Amino acid sequence: SQQGEEDPQALSIQEGENATMNCSYKTSINNLQWYRQNSGRGLVHLILIRSNEREKHSGRLRVTLDTSKKSSSLLITASRAADTASYFCATPSWAGKSTFGDGTTLTVKP
Amino acid sequence: GAGVSQSPRYKVAKRGQDVALRCDPISGHVSLFWYQQALGQGPEFLTYFQNEAQLDKSGLPSDRFFAERPEGSVSTLKIQRTQQEDSAVYLCASSLGTGTTLDQPQHFGDGTRLSIL
Repeated sequence: SQQGEEDPQALSIQEGENATMNCSYKTSINNLQWYRQNSGRGLVHLILIRSNEREKHSGRLRVTLDTSKKSSSLLITASRAADTASYFCATPSWAGKSTFGDGTTLTVKP
Repeated sequence: GAGVSQSPRYKVAKRGQDVALRCDPISGHVSLFWYQQALGQGPEFLTYFQNEAQLDKSGLPSDRFFAERPEGSVSTLKIQRTQQEDSAVYLCASSLGTGTTLDQPQHFGDGTRLSIL
């Protein structure tokens, strides 16, 4: 079973709008990471938020973490067609082995 | 190389055949991971190497799956007597792996798409 679960499963928005996707996990974590996967490609690391952080920014990305609710959210502002991809949260455990959710598929229409 | 390289990109095999999938990690990366990704799902952990040592193989689905990294760089995932349920994308990832690895990002290859007929 997966540690993380993303919500929604699919999201379709217009270019310029913001996209928010959520992740819930089950056990305690050291940090939580978000990855992007374009169709037919490997995953690309986007951002890491540590368990003692509540919010982190990187460019148009904003990640929040609520350890009391075991949840995280990824906000992409001013979305572009190139942001179309699947987004996964991941929680690393022993020796960096990561457990991934099933992802949110984001479609940004031009 | 600049990134993680996997070959072949696509592999079609008949049920019962053996297959071998190759991963070339980023030079100098100590940690290497194999994942299996079914259509529409996230990657599922298979096995983990630190240099040539296989430290965790808890995710390998059966004894038909075998992975090695004999010289601590290139790794091969072998599947014997393939079955239809083995059809998936097999992803390899590497990370620097020095010190605490929990906060090190993993760098993924583009995967091998395996289809078993």
